[in-house]
Amino acid sequence: GAGVSQSPSNKVTEKGKDVELRCDPISGHTALYWYRQSLGQGLEFLIYFQGNSAPDKSGLPSDRFSAERTGGSVSTLTIQRTQQEDSAVYLCASSLLKGVAEAFFGQGTRLTVV
Amino acid sequence: AQSVTQLDSQVPVFEEAPVELRCNYSSSVSVYLFWYVQYPNQGLQLLLKYLSGSTLVKGINGFEAEFNKSQTSFHLRKPSVHISDTAEYFCAVSTLSGGSNYKLTFGKGTLLTVNP
Repeated sequence: GAGVSQSPSNKVTEKGKDVELRCDPISGHTALYWYRQSLGQGLEFLIYFQGNSAPDKSGLPSDRFSAERTGGSVSTLTIQRTQQEDSAVYLCASSLLKGVAEAFFGQGTRLTVV
Repeated sequence: AQSVTQLDSQVPVFEEAPVELRCNYSSSVSVYLFWYVQYPNQGLQLLLKYLSGSTLVKGINGFEAEFNKSQTSFHLRKPSVHISDTAEYFCAVSTLSGGSNYKLTFGKGTLLTVNP
């Protein structure tokens, strides 16, 4: 596609439920990032997929968070047993691994845990 | 490992005043540098980037930034701001991470509020 696509754009879920957030990167981009943006907290790195290498999971806040990337393209971020503090905008970005590696962002998924 | 520090979390200014948003980075290798902007209720978009060559780079909407290698800084400036520049600004650095792959690291962001 022309840009990074994220779905859903908005998600309201009950505390304790699991949610899946989807990211469709730009075709040919081998690097993919997930970030979380909470009010007043800036951009928080979650996970980084770099081609076929092992992902950098150093930013995942707890073991309730996981992500996978199938076939080097679409990625899914899963949050299990959601808590109210998980409410935030989840942003996905993709880039090339080589060269400048400028990142292109999706519009984000706004997650609200009630 | 690389890191990016944006020294001011919030910067309030009056319309038509000059503004500087500060960014410092740490990295032991060569870097590419970026500024992204996020307008209210929108995604992040690239404002400008430094790759090589002239240390003064110009971006969209009249913004510019200067790369200072000795001070490891990449401050963003605009000589006269408009109300429409109200947004959050993010500094980012791209460096080699594991072989020949590049990784982007962001600062926490600076909220620029332009008041009439």
